[in-house]
Amino acid sequence: KQEVTQIPAALSVPEGENLVLNCSFTDSAIYNLQWFRQDPGKGLTSLLLIQSSQREQTSGRLNASLDKSSGRSTLYIAASQPGDSATYLCAVCLISNFGNEKLTFGTGTRLTIIP
Amino acid sequence: KAGVTQTPRYLIKTRGQQVTLSCSPISGHRSVSWYQQTPGQGLQFLFEYFSETQRNKGNFPGRFSGRQFSNSRSEMNVSTLELGDSALYLCASSYSGGYQETQYFGPGTRLLVL
Repeated sequence: KQEVTQIPAALSVPEGENLVLNCSFTDSAIYNLQWFRQDPGKGLTSLLLIQSSQREQTSGRLNASLDKSSGRSTLYIAASQPGDSATYLCAVCLISNFGNEKLTFGTGTRLTIIP
Repeated sequence: KAGVTQTPRYLIKTRGQQVTLSCSPISGHRSVSWYQQTPGQGLQFLFEYFSETQRNKGNFPGRFSGRQFSNSRSEMNVSTLELGDSALYLCASSYSGGYQETQYFGPGTRLLVL
């Protein structure tokens, strides 16, 4: 059974600092990995999707890396801003028992950027 | 293009009742997935529908069911509600549900069971 872990559960950093969020998964046979952000009481917003054949993806101040062999992904946020405060979730996509794809989510890291 | 919409946004029910939640996907999307989010278990996959057929399901009891209509709108139903069913229920849509696609999530329906 795929397990996805995100450590730490919560993180506070001063505005302007660069930071890294971590995600680890137990089954390396994944199709892709996605990073989402969730604002309080709201749904999820997809940030980056990395296919299993890729090593990293970038979008603005965000950079996500993927190391399938070690079962790890990182989300790098450069020059953090108060608007980056949210819960960040990673999710891996793998074949389900029914032969279709499904997402397995991590427990998330609650990020607070201190002005 | 309008995003994924879910109704109602908030719901309060009592134990033993049943509830129906609705999800309207992004126009043109045919795959709709449902997730349950709780503080203790995190986000867990419930089921996925594509072209009115359930194509994938998670490990939830039979009290949780769903369906999809010809216009891709989806409903999920929970019968005989239990306190532990209190959660944020999220739906997500994508064009075909393929692994290479990004899923777009709605704002969720927050269900409180008393």
